[in-house]
Amino acid sequence: GAGVSQSPSNKVTEKGKDVELRCDPISGHTALYWYRQSLGQGLEFLIYFQGNSAPDKSGLPSDRFSAERTGGSVSTLTIQRTQQEDSAVYLCASSGRSWGTDTQYFGPGTRLTVL
Amino acid sequence: GQQLNQSPQSMFIQEGEDVSMNCTSSSIFNTWLWYKQDPGEGPVLLIALYKAGELTSNGRLTAQFGTTRKDSFLNISASIPSDVGIYFCAGQYGGSQGNLIFGKGTKLSVKP
Repeated sequence: GAGVSQSPSNKVTEKGKDVELRCDPISGHTALYWYRQSLGQGLEFLIYFQGNSAPDKSGLPSDRFSAERTGGSVSTLTIQRTQQEDSAVYLCASSGRSWGTDTQYFGPGTRLTVL
Repeated sequence: GQQLNQSPQSMFIQEGEDVSMNCTSSSIFNTWLWYKQDPGEGPVLLIALYKAGELTSNGRLTAQFGTTRKDSFLNISASIPSDVGIYFCAGQYGGSQGNLIFGKGTKLSVKP
């Protein structure tokens, strides 16, 4: 597609439920990132996929968070047993070498609200 | 998680005025980036800096990669109403890949 797309755009869930957030990166991009943006804060890195390499999970805040990337394209971020502090905007970015750089292009985000 | 020190947090300026914001870090970065985020959207890259001391312009925007590699500034000249938004600095350790470390953002408001 023309840009990074994410779905859903908004998700409201009850505390304790599991949620899945989807990211469709720019076609051909080898790297995919998930970030979390809490109200009034900058972006916090969660996880990074690069090609077929093992993902960098160093930013995941707890074992309730996991992500996978199928076929080197679409990625799903799963949050199990959601808590109120998980409420945030979850942003996905992808990058691929263009003009010698690996600019990260961001999607519009999924706004998650945990009641 | 780690974040950069970005200031100011917010600015209220008159249309036509110049704007300056900066970021500092205790760590050395190989790349400094400046993004702008509009409400309900993801950040959009404005300027990327790859070498210490580098000064780069993009229209009315000018950014510099500090010589110590621990800081960067962004200037906007002759501000216009569409400059309104949140500006983020971001640092990157790796050559050109790997996750970004973000500042908390500078919220810019412009009075027509």
